[in-house]
Amino acid sequence: NAGVTQTPKFRILKIGQSMTLQCTQDMNHNYMYWYRQDPGMGLKLIYYSVGAGITDKGEVPNGYNVSRSTTEDFPLRLELAAPSQTSVYFCASSSGISNQPQHFGDGTRLSIL
Amino acid sequence: EDQVTQSPEALRLQEGESSSLNCSYTVSGLRGLFWYRQDPGKGPEFLFTLYSAGEEKEKERLKATLTKKESFLHITAPKPEDSATYLCAVQGYGSSNTGKLIFGQGTTLQVKP
Repeated sequence: NAGVTQTPKFRILKIGQSMTLQCTQDMNHNYMYWYRQDPGMGLKLIYYSVGAGITDKGEVPNGYNVSRSTTEDFPLRLELAAPSQTSVYFCASSSGISNQPQHFGDGTRLSIL
Repeated sequence: EDQVTQSPEALRLQEGESSSLNCSYTVSGLRGLFWYRQDPGKGPEFLFTLYSAGEEKEKERLKATLTKKESFLHITAPKPEDSATYLCAVQGYGSSNTGKLIFGQGTTLQVKP
């Protein structure tokens, strides 16, 4: 029962570097999401996708990009990493976009130094 | 603006000492209220969805209830393995086509043997 798998689990980047956070799900869910979680704050939605080829911005999209070429994969790209992007990033998926629970991966812990 | 506030921030209980966690919300039309459990270093794990005032859901020692302004997560005779952070999230009608969830900051529960 893999569910939602995120890689890497940990990463340290230097300011200005770029990287891609990987997310894949095996539940055949059309809907996928990226959140960030900062200490003392609730999870914030970065981007979401309603299906392959369709993505849209969430609450805090600046500094990030996404793509969705397959149902299974939803990578998140950081361009020109900044210290403010130090956070824990969670990918989630759901079977519907309304009223359906979202199922989360175990996160990528990212530090930008 | 949709908002979720959880209280208390932290709760310490002795094993067997029952208590309740609170989730107060403001949303323009509730589509669903979700409870999640999050263990350290892990992603949120789905517990319950509540859709309308008066609804209740139970799972083992946990019972979630919902009114028009708040939800409670009642923990009966907790065990040390119930120690975790409990997250509450809401989805409003305004977000029903984006899947956006508004999360509270969470309540960290510690149950001592």
